[in-house]
Formats: sequence, structure tokens, C-alpha cells
Amino acid sequence: GAGVSQTPSNKVTEKGKYVELRCDPISGHTALYWYRQSLGQGPEFLIYFQGTGAADDSGLPNDRFFAVRPEGSVSTLKIQRTERGDSAVYLCASSRPSLGATDTQYFGPGTRLTVL
Amino acid sequence: DAKTTQPNSMESNEEEPVHLPCNHSTISGTDYIHWYRQLPSQGPEYVIHGLTSNVNNRMASLAIAEDRKSSTLILHRATLRDAAVYYCILRDPYSGAGSYQLTFGKGTKLSVIP
Repeated sequence: GAGVSQTPSNKVTEKGKYVELRCDPISGHTALYWYRQSLGQGPEFLIYFQGTGAADDSGLPNDRFFAVRPEGSVSTLKIQRTERGDSAVYLCASSRPSLGATDTQYFGPGTRLTVL
Repeated sequence: DAKTTQPNSMESNEEEPVHLPCNHSTISGTDYIHWYRQLPSQGPEYVIHGLTSNVNNRMASLAIAEDRKSSTLILHRATLRDAAVYYCILRDPYSGAGSYQLTFGKGTKLSVIP
């Protein structure tokens, strides 16, 4: 079946602008995650949704970052007043959570954000 | 979360076995050991996970030391497609919502030589 998809694949914006990044999870997956990956580093957790609600947003770096998942499927990561330091690959993953944190997370290909 | 230590890089010849080590000396009794890999320009993908016993699947084998302070991911015959960054990750199911996030380190970059 279809995997996790993310749009756009690349986004170039200017400092101070607002951007939205979209994630379409695998159908039926109730859990959705956003991660951010800077060059040469492993992905860093941003936020985790269980259904429509954010169960853990402890990884969001500041209040310029916000994510929604209004119908429990598609999610949008929103970044206000972008800064050059926000440039990174933003990864989305989804899973069917299983008891014991043994769920497999399926990742999308990511959105490469460049802030000029 | 307990920390893992992996070599920055490793090389292997094509069609030979590869043993990727991971040290996790502060692992707790409830931590699961997960491995993910990330091919160039792609998102990470799940490889294997285990708790105490050695595990095998179609992609790889996971050998866990008896004291659980280290583990080894084994690729039985490396192919060019196995060239990737391999991440060893610990997950504690009893740490609440935090148990669901994956905490990636820098991983091991595996190069496969034809």
C-alpha cells in the first residue's frame, strides 16, 4: 500500500516568512510524529499525535512552531517568522501504537526546508 | 533515556557479513533495543528490535549481550543497497508519552565496497 507522503519535497523561503509542511500518514495509523534533521545529525523529535490530539509536543523548539491534525489523519507543521536556523529536513512518521512502545514507525521522504 | 554509543563509520565488502556494534551500558531492564537505518536522501526505516533474546528477520539479525549492555546488528551479506546510516535506539515503554518518540544519535555510516 501507499507509504507516508510529504509535500512539498522541497521548500525555499525567505527569512521571516510563514511556511506549512504537510504529511499524509499511512491509512489507519493513529499515531503521527514530526522530526527535524539537520545536516550530519540524526533526526530530532518535535511532536507526537495520537489521533487528533498532540500527546507530546516537548520537542517543538519554540512558539514559532505549531502542528495540527484536525481529523486524525493529515497533519500540517506550521512555522511562523522563519529563521535561517530552521533550515533542515522535516520528517513525518506514522504508526499503529502497540503496547510496550514496540510500534514500528514508518517515515516519509521528508521536506527539505531552506530559509534564505 | 539511556544513551547509546556507535562507531561513526564502518566499511564492508559487498556480499560479506557486517557486524554493527552498539554500546548501551546504562540500559534499564525495560528498554527495548531498536535499529533503524537511513538510506541516502530517504527517511529512516525500521530494521529490527529486541529485548533480551537474539532476533532474526528477513533484513538482519540482532545479537544482544547477556548483560544487555551491548548489541550487534548483523547483516549476513552486505549489498550496495545496504549503504546507509544505522541507528541504535533504546525505547522504554514505561516512560509515558516519551516512550513513543525515537531518540536518534548520529549512528554509524556504513559504506559497502563493490
